[in-house]
Amino acid sequence: SFEVTQPPSVSVSPGQTASISCSGDKLGEKFVCWYQQKPGQSPVLVIYQDTKRPSGIPERFSGSNSGNTATLTISRTQALDEADYYCQTWDSSTALFGGGTKLTVL
Amino acid sequence: QVQLQESGPGLVKPSETLSLICTVSGYSISSGYYWGWIRQPPGKGLEWIGNVFHGGSTYYNPSLKSRVTISLDTSRNQFSLRLTSVTAADTALYYCVQSLQDDRFDPWGQGTLVTVSS
Repeated sequence: SFEVTQPPSVSVSPGQTASISCSGDKLGEKFVCWYQQKPGQSPVLVIYQDTKRPSGIPERFSGSNSGNTATLTISRTQALDEADYYCQTWDSSTALFGGGTKLTVL
Repeated sequence: QVQLQESGPGLVKPSETLSLICTVSGYSISSGYYWGWIRQPPGKGLEWIGNVFHGGSTYYNPSLKSRVTISLDTSRNQFSLRLTSVTAADTALYYCVQSLQDDRFDPWGQGTLVTVSS
């Protein structure tokens, strides 16, 4: 069955660029979404259809997807970006989530 | 602005049926979109349970398909989740979501914690 894999954790310094990867076989042929979840809160969509930002999401958030890897990039990272991030895609009408990546802003 | 709110028992006994309702405001569920359920065990990741289309067709996670029913109540602008034969492994925070099939989940409800225990 299809799976998507994320690194458990990523660390970044304030003001720097954070990159979170999501890997799966030929993932670039599928659409990928990204969700941000802060402690005690519901997930929030930050990227959909690989690269699109919902209204209200800062331009600092961007996405890409090619080959076997999708990437969420957060530019000029701020302390408020510290959260768990989940990638999500579809395979055979089944929604699949990555295991999540905890982003720490040091 | 679409808002979703989950409701239902917070405690279910093993082998019994978990039943939750999602009340939607700001949009008529009979007008379009898919409506779904996603769960998150404490301290763990997200698992999609299934979606129901506004026309009534359903899509379920194969790992849960034999135990899950998602249905619409358009008269109350609600949709529901039934999960039968629950075990401790079904203990989770359950979210209802608006969905586009083969696309995104947005927005999400605030979630409701369901604990399976005797």
